[in-house]
Amino acid sequence: DQQVKQNSPSLSVQEGRISILNCDYTNSMFDYFLWYKKYPAEGPTFLISISSIKDKNEDGRFTVFLNKSAKHLSLHIVPSQPGDSAVYFCAASNQGAQKLVFGQGTRLTINP
Amino acid sequence: SAVISQKPSRDICQRGTSLTIQCQVDSQVTMMFWYRQQPGQSLTLIATANQGSEATYESGFVIDKFPISRPNLTFSTLTVSNMSPEDSSIYLCSVANRGNTEAFFGQGTRLTVV
Repeated sequence: DQQVKQNSPSLSVQEGRISILNCDYTNSMFDYFLWYKKYPAEGPTFLISISSIKDKNEDGRFTVFLNKSAKHLSLHIVPSQPGDSAVYFCAASNQGAQKLVFGQGTRLTINP
Repeated sequence: SAVISQKPSRDICQRGTSLTIQCQVDSQVTMMFWYRQQPGQSLTLIATANQGSEATYESGFVIDKFPISRPNLTFSTLTVSNMSPEDSSIYLCSVANRGNTEAFFGQGTRLTVV
């Protein structure tokens, strides 16, 4: 049973445009959500997180939106840059940043 | 932030053998976490390494297959025992920051079993 799902395996976006990555979850006990970026041969790098008491969190070019009723979150990257090309994972937990449950990942490609 | 070093970064092993992966953190942490990423899959938590007590394993993972040591607050090892090709994965260790708002990962150990 996949508790965290990223239904788009890949996404291609023009440089300078907005990238929107989506994530759905099924476990209503999750109250903390994180996004990670991963390059080949490296460990995941933390991008941004959101607690269930909020519906939006912003950090520079990255914004995460949480819709608790729909059990859905999204990561917006604007403007997209070539260096953003990577695999993006969403993760969820009911223990903060511990014991994370990950989605399958979305490969984002930013085209010049 | 925490700096996490894993060794080895990659290895190719014969089936039936065992490999021990080391994880060193640059600060003292209560819990360290071991994850596995099978080819084309998401990251899955294997176990939590607790200092001074037995590791706690997630459903589907057992101590006989993945024994864990945690001798102090900055170091842990994960052993993959009696390996088969299905164990070919990236193994990662992770720690959370003091505020428990971010999790940091090592660069991973890419294991190929032949």
